[in-house]
Amino acid sequence: AQSVSQHNHHVILSEAASLELGCNYSYGGTVNLFWYVQYPGQHLQLLLKYFSGDPLVKGIKGFEAEFIKSKFSFNLRKPSVQWSDTAEYFCAVNSRSNDYKLSFGAGTTVTVRA
Amino acid sequence: DGGITQSPKYLFRKEGQNVTLSCEQNLNHDAMYWYRQDPGQGLRLIYYSQIVNDFQKGDIAEGYSVSREKKESFPLTVTSAQKNPTAFYLCASSSTSGHYGYTFGSGTRLTVV
Repeated sequence: AQSVSQHNHHVILSEAASLELGCNYSYGGTVNLFWYVQYPGQHLQLLLKYFSGDPLVKGIKGFEAEFIKSKFSFNLRKPSVQWSDTAEYFCAVNSRSNDYKLSFGAGTTVTVRA
Repeated sequence: DGGITQSPKYLFRKEGQNVTLSCEQNLNHDAMYWYRQDPGQGLRLIYYSQIVNDFQKGDIAEGYSVSREKKESFPLTVTSAQKNPTAFYLCASSSTSGHYGYTFGSGTRLTVV
């Protein structure tokens, strides 16, 4: 069975600081990887995804993530955060062998102080 | 605009009652999903359906039931057998290839009173 671990439960940082959120998954086969964001009071939105090709993936709002297969990791980064990045972030994985069901991490709450 | 509509946004239920949450999509997606979101636990899969008239249990199906009579609709019933039903429920849909991730609805917050 596939599972996802997110290292940080809550991250607090100031505007213009850099952000990195850790995500590790446990599954030996070919996977698709995703980061979703949930802004306060809004529905889940897709930030970026990886399923093949360049392991460095760029998403919306200046976010990027790097897939490191040997480490089973898919960490999310943003060089300089803004107050509007305050949200909850979820890492997720699916695979063809698991009917493409998305398995989510527990989420990381990011609070950006102005 | 294409998307997923969940209704109602807030729902209150008395203990011992069944309640049905609505989920409708106009994205022409074959697959639909129900997740439950609890603080600190992420999203957990309740049921999913990849085709009309067929559905499978997810990780936490006990106390829930679903139907998929139409491609556009995937209602979830929270039965009285669900021991801890107060939660935020999210519906999602996707193409069957799964590469593109899911599109999510805005959710229904269910509170048992």
